[in-house]
Amino acid sequence: EVRLVESGGGLVQPAGSLRLSCAASGFTFNTYAMSWVRQAPGKGLEWVSAIRGSGTSAYYADSVRGRFTISRDNSKNTVYLQMNSLRAEDTAIYYCAKDRGTTVTAVDHWGQGTLVTVSS
Amino acid sequence: QPVLTQSSSASASLGSSVKLTCTLSSGHSDYIIAWHQQQPGKAPRYLMNLEGSGTYNKGSGVPDRFAGSSSGADRYLTISNLQSDDEADYYCETWDTNSQVFGGGTKLTVL
Repeated sequence: EVRLVESGGGLVQPAGSLRLSCAASGFTFNTYAMSWVRQAPGKGLEWVSAIRGSGTSAYYADSVRGRFTISRDNSKNTVYLQMNSLRAEDTAIYYCAKDRGTTVTAVDHWGQGTLVTVSS
Repeated sequence: QPVLTQSSSASASLGSSVKLTCTLSSGHSDYIIAWHQQQPGKAPRYLMNLEGSGTYNKGSGVPDRFAGSSSGADRYLTISNLQSDDEADYYCETWDTNSQVFGGGTKLTVL
């Protein structure tokens, strides 16, 4: 059974930093791309970032490029999202997601999400 | 980059059927999409992948009441024999070389 467990969310001040983690199990981790998708309060889903199974390529939404960094440790079956220069509009539930293939494709499994609140 | 358009809301009666639509933008009518369900207060759940041919592959545990179909740039999710816990937001998703894209979601109300 695929399992994705996010951690690291919380309250942070504007311009602050936070690092999210997602521990994966139940599948061959290094074979699949992984994504982060967020959902602001009362809003729809927004893709944030993705990383290939090999970890050699990473991709970002325009809204976070230059501020967020995705990475993965295939020896620990974990994907990370380093978030810097946080803004109020980054407030959202952040979901870790497994893609269907080794490159960026559609999501086929979701984590339970972790809440990030950016506020002074 | 493709754009996905969904109606903001839909409603249908308990025990009836409903067909939700996701429309791909011009030039992207052959793209594969995925459908996801998000019940109130819960994380999204993957339902199925759906090709332009109408072929679909459902996720583990998705009931037979859920089916996909396609026509041109339109991708459909049909839910039969509606149950109360089908009341949820439904999102379509696709991808391009370097990104994923979500539709705005359809809020389904079961009357």
